[in-house]
Amino acid sequence: GQQVMQIPQYQHVQEGEDFTTYCNSSTTLSNIQWYKQRPGGHPVFLIQLVKSGEVKKQKRLTFQFGEAKKNSSLHITATQTTDVGTYFCAGVPHMYSGGGADGLTFGKGTHLIIQP
Amino acid sequence: EPEVTQTPSHQVTQMGQEVILRCVPISNHLYFYWYRQILGQKVEFLVSFYNNEISEKSEIFDDQFSVERPDGSNFTLKIRSTKLEDSAMYFCASRPGGESEAFFGQGTRLTVV
Repeated sequence: GQQVMQIPQYQHVQEGEDFTTYCNSSTTLSNIQWYKQRPGGHPVFLIQLVKSGEVKKQKRLTFQFGEAKKNSSLHITATQTTDVGTYFCAGVPHMYSGGGADGLTFGKGTHLIIQP
Repeated sequence: EPEVTQTPSHQVTQMGQEVILRCVPISNHLYFYWYRQILGQKVEFLVSFYNNEISEKSEIFDDQFSVERPDGSNFTLKIRSTKLEDSAMYFCASRPGGESEAFFGQGTRLTVV
């Protein structure tokens, strides 16, 4: 079945440093979504990327979708303490595109720990 | 803002007992899901539900699990005979349709003792 790998598992940064998490799928994706989960919370949608090579920005967050639609990255510039949490990528297999009934395959997440 | 609501927030049950986890998805959404997350681990897909039937299920979703949408608003997950390894946070999610974001509930923490 489809696998979504995400690295690193943990990332410690000093406040103000940048942070990047990488996501790779074993199969081509229809789209990829990114979620953030605060400690003790539930996943909250951040963004969806659909097009090959797409880049989207949300303030200090930059999301990229690879040309082959098998990998993605999230980059945070100048981290703040509010960025603490686990960042998950979640892929939708290409074969299910348009159906909407498919389940998301989540990566294991990257736990971002920020030291003030 | 509309949200997915789940009850109870925490359920403790004895091994072998049946549990029902309840969810009220966002009212105009068409696709419903259950995910689980064992403490400190990734979110795992269990099942998706559309048009009053299961559309996809994972290997985790074996014969011990079932889902129902009994009255057009509630969406339930039943575990027939709980095992210790079923202890996890169970998230319900819904999507309006197409390739849209999933809205997650706050989760039910299931503890099997």
